[in-house]
Amino acid sequence: NAGVTQTPKFQVLKTGQSMTLQCAQDMNHNSMYWYRQDPGMGLRLIYYSASEGTTDKGEVPNGYNVSRLNKREFSLRLESAAPSQTSVYFCASSEGDRAGQPQHFGDGTRLSIL
Amino acid sequence: AQSVTQLGSHVSVSEGALVLLRCNYSSSVPPYLFWYVQYPNQGLQLLLKYTTGATLVKGINGFEAEFKKSETSFHLTKPSAHMSDAAEYFCAVSQYSSASKIIFGSGTRLSIRP
Repeated sequence: NAGVTQTPKFQVLKTGQSMTLQCAQDMNHNSMYWYRQDPGMGLRLIYYSASEGTTDKGEVPNGYNVSRLNKREFSLRLESAAPSQTSVYFCASSEGDRAGQPQHFGDGTRLSIL
Repeated sequence: AQSVTQLGSHVSVSEGALVLLRCNYSSSVPPYLFWYVQYPNQGLQLLLKYTTGATLVKGINGFEAEFKKSETSFHLTKPSAHMSDAAEYFCAVSQYSSASKIIFGSGTRLSIRP
């Protein structure tokens, strides 16, 4: 039972470099999400994909792009990394995009931008 | 707009003592409420959720929470703390028709004293 798998687990980038964070789920879920977690701020939604073929902006989308590659995979791209994007990034999935449905999380990617 | 407030960023209790983590929400319509737990270097795991029906909700690991509409609260309790309960706990609210509209609190770190 892998659940939600994120790669890489750790990454250090220099300002201006680009990077793609990978996420895959094996639960046949329709909806997938990207969050960032910063100290004292809980989780903030960056982008989400309610179903295969759709993506929408969340609370903090600036500086990021996403791709829903297929039903299993949802990637997050930083085109030109900035120190303010230093954070822990979590991918999550849920069976569908309806209120009350819990989300299942990966173990996170710890990203530092120098 | 919906929001979540967790009172106390850090709570410390003795092993065997009552655990009480406080969560208040703001919502203009009946909410869906969640508690998630995060162990070090892991993603969030669902502890319990309230959607409709019984206001006392039982979750995993002996935790429970009570939805009190009049107090707009959803406090998390456990009668007897165990060392393995040390983690960060997040309260979350979902109000709209989309699960993507989950708002997370800023988290409460629970420490257990031997």
